[in-house]
Amino acid sequence: GAVVSQHPSRVICKSGTSVKIECRSLDFQATTMFWYRQFPKQSLMLMATSNEGSKATYEQGVEKDKFLINHASLTLSTLTVTSAHPEDSSFYICSARQGIGQPQHFGDGTRLSIL
Amino acid sequence: KQEVTQIPAALSVPEGENLVLNCSFTDSAIYNLQWFRQDPGKGLTSLLLIQSSQREQTSGRLNASLDKSSGRSTLYIAASQPGDSATYLCAGLDNYGQNFVFGPGTRLSVLP
Repeated sequence: GAVVSQHPSRVICKSGTSVKIECRSLDFQATTMFWYRQFPKQSLMLMATSNEGSKATYEQGVEKDKFLINHASLTLSTLTVTSAHPEDSSFYICSARQGIGQPQHFGDGTRLSIL
Repeated sequence: KQEVTQIPAALSVPEGENLVLNCSFTDSAIYNLQWFRQDPGKGLTSLLLIQSSQREQTSGRLNASLDKSSGRSTLYIAASQPGDSATYLCAGLDNYGQNFVFGPGTRLSVLP
C-alpha cells in the first residue's frame, strides 16, 4: 500500500529553536499534503492544506508565519515550526493523497517537545 | 460547518466479542468517509474508505457502513482480538474534496 514517511519521529529542543519536519510520499505522487496537530487524548486538528507548487491554505487560528509549509515537489512537503515555544509541543502528523477523493495516507507523526 | 462525533468514547470488551463503533456527522454532503486506526504515539492507518455512493465496505473482520441520509457510519469488528486495541477514528471528506474532518475517536481495549 501507499507509504508516507515522516521525519523525524521525535524532537526535543530548547525554546526559540526552529524545527523542520519532513513528509514524503514514497510510492505515489501527492498532489495534496495535509498537516495536522494532535494534543493528548484529542483528535487530529487540521492545520493547513498544501497543493504542490502553491501556497498552503491555513485553517483559522493557525499562524502561517509561525508554521511555514513548503510543498515544492509531488513527493515532499515540509513544516517548519519557527521560534518554537513550549505551547507548540504536540504531535504533528502529515498525510498525503494522490487526488481529490483518493484515500489520505498518513505518516507516523512527529512528537515535538519544546523545553 | 461539518462536525463529527463518535460514540462511545471508550470501550472495553473481552476477546472474541463482536462490536460496533459509531460515527455521526452533521452535514450529509460528504464525498467519502474513512475509518482509521491509531496506536498510541503513532500515526494513522487507513482501514476502510466508503465513497458517498457506497453503503458499505469490508476488509477481513472489519465492515464499515455508511448512511448519508441519517448522517451515520458504523465500524463493525468481528471476533475481536487483543491486537485490535487502539483508537479508532472516523473522518468525513466534504463534497469539495478538500476538508477532512475527524471525529474524536473511540479508544478500544480488547481484553485477553
